Amino acid sequence: AQSVTQLGSHVSVSEGALVLLRCNYSSSVPPYLFWYVQYPNQGLQLLLKYTSAATLVKGINGFEAEFKKSETSFHLTKPSAHMSDAAEYFCAVSETGNQFYFGTGTSLTVIP
Amino acid sequence: DTEVTQTPKHLVMGMTNKKSLKCEQHMGHRAMYWYKQKAKKPPELMFVYSYEKLSINESVPSRFSPECPNSSLLNLHLHALQPEDSALYLCASSQALGTSGAETQYFGPGTRLLVL
Repeated sequence: AQSVTQLGSHVSVSEGALVLLRCNYSSSVPPYLFWYVQYPNQGLQLLLKYTSAATLVKGINGFEAEFKKSETSFHLTKPSAHMSDAAEYFCAVSETGNQFYFGTGTSLTVIP
Repeated sequence: DTEVTQTPKHLVMGMTNKKSLKCEQHMGHRAMYWYKQKAKKPPELMFVYSYEKLSINESVPSRFSPECPNSSLLNLHLHALQPEDSALYLCASSQALGTSGAETQYFGPGTRLLVL
């Protein structure tokens, strides 16, 4: 079965600083990888997904992620954090049959 | 339109009550999902429907009973719940249960359930 590891359950950054949220996966080839964001008391919103078309994936709200097969990683970045980015972020891997395996989540705090 | 709607937004029920959660999508998706999410935890898969048929039941207690009356609607019937069942219940849908696994799941806002 697939699995996802998100290093760092809590990440704090200053407003305007780089955001880096880490995700490593274990998967048979090919993996399908997703990043979702969850704001307080809301559902999950898709930020971006990797489906093998390009290793650098651009998503909504200025986020992007790079698929690195050699490192089995799919880290999420944003050049400049905004207060509105404070939320819970989940990395997920999908396999045949579309069952998602979620990471444990990373709570992002943005400090003014 | 990538919207999945869920009603009610909040629900408080006693352990002897019967209630239902409702989920609706009009994207023509043929796979629908129920997840349970505890605070600060990832969603846990409960049920998956594919073409209105139950495809996956993740060993969920029988006090949770899913129903898919048509391709747009998904219900979760609740009966004799326990306080530990209090959680956010999320519905999601995807195009289909693909053989590749590349299908995006679109999530609703959830129903916040409190069992007293």
